[in-house]
Amino acid sequence: GENVEQHPSTLSVQEGDSAVIKCTYSDSASNYFPWYKQELGKGPQLIIDIRSNVGEKKDQRIAVTLNKTAKHFSLHITETQPEDSAVYFCAASRGTGANNLFFGTGTRLTVIP
Amino acid sequence: GAVVSQHPSRVICKSGTSVKIECRSLDFQATTMFWYRQFPKQSLMLMATSNEGSKATYEQGVEKDKFLINHASLTLSTLTVTSAHPEDSSFYICSAMRDRNYGYTFGSGTRLTVV
Repeated sequence: GENVEQHPSTLSVQEGDSAVIKCTYSDSASNYFPWYKQELGKGPQLIIDIRSNVGEKKDQRIAVTLNKTAKHFSLHITETQPEDSAVYFCAASRGTGANNLFFGTGTRLTVIP
Repeated sequence: GAVVSQHPSRVICKSGTSVKIECRSLDFQATTMFWYRQFPKQSLMLMATSNEGSKATYEQGVEKDKFLINHASLTLSTLTVTSAHPEDSSFYICSAMRDRNYGYTFGSGTRLTVV
């Protein structure tokens, strides 16, 4: 099965700085890579996703890059704000409704005001 | 959109009793739904895949007789924790995919505490 690794486990940045979280995956058949933000006591919220036919996707302050050859993908948050503080999970999937997500171990991001 | 509603958000039950958690897709039909379990400060672990009109598929190590899953309609899957014990206390989350444009949507989770 798929194995998703995520680093770092914790990350502290000053407000306004950038944050980068990296993930690797093992299943070459995975073609869908979402990132989720989870706040305490809540379910994960999708913040951005990328499919294997593109290498980069950006949505305002958030971007994701994918290197399919190396099997790794990264989340980039620029101009961080205190409300970005949360746990972030990467995930990988074969991308259809019948295929489940495999999650990384999570990164606790703290943005220091 | 693609909205998944999960209920209840919190439940406290006594050891030995059963608890049912509902997961509904509000604005789309979901042939498949997924149930995850999350311990504090840990990642989401897939428990089972719920298939409408057929038996659920359980992950290795998950007791199917303890975690009963019913997916009787295209918008509702239920997870029943039977004869609950304190070690079953956890955060349970469901998800479903509407289609490729929406990705996987998660419910808000259920915090189960067994006392």
